[in-house]
Amino acid sequence: SQQGEEDPQALSIQEGENATMNCSYKTSINNLQWYRQNSGRGLVHLILIRSNEREKHSGRLRVTLDTSKKSSSLLITASRAADTASYFCATVPMNRDDKIIFGKGTRLHILP
Amino acid sequence: DAGVIQSPRHEVTEMGQEVTLRCKPISGHDYLFWYRQTMMRGLELLIYFNNNVPIDDSGMPEDRFSAKMPNASFSTLKIQPSEPRDSAVYFCASSGRLGSGNQPQHFGDGTRLSIL
Repeated sequence: SQQGEEDPQALSIQEGENATMNCSYKTSINNLQWYRQNSGRGLVHLILIRSNEREKHSGRLRVTLDTSKKSSSLLITASRAADTASYFCATVPMNRDDKIIFGKGTRLHILP
Repeated sequence: DAGVIQSPRHEVTEMGQEVTLRCKPISGHDYLFWYRQTMMRGLELLIYFNNNVPIDDSGMPEDRFSAKMPNASFSTLKIQPSEPRDSAVYFCASSGRLGSGNQPQHFGDGTRLSIL
């Protein structure tokens, strides 16, 4: 069963603008993770946020988590051409910390 | 530090043939995962191992699929006989000791499999 669903499915923005992607999920979670996938490559872990955290930063990335709304957002500030990729959220269910479930991803395209 | 290594990167074969995909996890990682990615179904977990032991194979589509992990540094995913609907990108991932859900996963670059 699919836990996380990203929104939008695809996003095109101008270089330098900020990109925001959202993830909604259905059941209580242990943590939520964001990954990036460049074309033809494997997924790369970006950031992990635990259920008791509300916000996390890593460089130009900012992740928020709202457990009451069962949603998370990934913000990429000052986007660059190299940020063009697919972005996936993945959730670890509260009662199954041996499972991680990926959404279908948001395809981000940065226009020069 | 070497990442997760998968081979081959590409495989094209005819329907009915046996296909073997290989994975070398990151040294020291206790968990190994096999995923399949398609446009229609996204990323699906097929099976995962902890300390070389299969823990959950509920995602394996059918008996034509099998996976082994004979030692901590090697795993295989085998499809026999292969069918066109098995065409997909297959990823291997590994993670560290704190449990598969609390550690980030490290992915290989995948095997793009085409069954004609």
